Amino acid sequence: DQQVKQNSPSLSVQEGRISILNCDYTNSMFDYFLWYKKYPAEGPTFLISISSIKDKNEDGRFTVFLNKSAKHLSLHIVPSQPGDSAVYFCAVRGAGNQFYFGTGTSLTVIP
Amino acid sequence: DAGVIQSPRHEVTEMGQEVTLRCKPISGHNSLFWYRQTMMRGLELLIYFNNNVPIDDSGMPEDRFSAKMPNASFSTLKIQPSEPRDSAVYFCASSLDRGEAFFGQGTRLTVV
Repeated sequence: DQQVKQNSPSLSVQEGRISILNCDYTNSMFDYFLWYKKYPAEGPTFLISISSIKDKNEDGRFTVFLNKSAKHLSLHIVPSQPGDSAVYFCAVRGAGNQFYFGTGTSLTVIP
Repeated sequence: DAGVIQSPRHEVTEMGQEVTLRCKPISGHNSLFWYRQTMMRGLELLIYFNNNVPIDDSGMPEDRFSAKMPNASFSTLKIQPSEPRDSAVYFCASSLDRGEAFFGQGTRLTVV
């Protein structure tokens, strides 16, 4: 069973607007949540993370929000830029330090 | 640091052949992960090592898959015999303690 779900396979946004990517997880015991970005023919790269003791973490144009009661995570990118076009993976850290990933959302930022 | 190094980058093999994928984690990292990327399941965790010991191999799809980590700087993922449905991109990643995982460039495996 998927521990992490990204229900939107793709998203298109105009340059300069906000991109919102969503993620749901199944286990309330997860304590660390991450977003990764992946370009074609490259490995995923770490983007931003949040601990379960927080509900928001911001890094420049990227902000991650955590709603523990809903078991929901979101990534906001504002303003969106064409270079942000990539596949974004949501991930959670399990009790044993392993990472479970979602199926990814392909973001296209239209110039 | 050169990051996580995987080889080969591309592998094309015939059904029934043995395939070995290789990974060199980042020096000093103590956890290593093998993932498989498919459209249906995204990044699927196959196996996780900590201090060279397999901790969780519940994601290994079948007995045809095996992984080893003989030392802190090398790991292999072997498929024997390979089947067309094994075609995917396989990623290796490493991490230090409870930090984030760093990924290699991946190996694109095609089984014909």
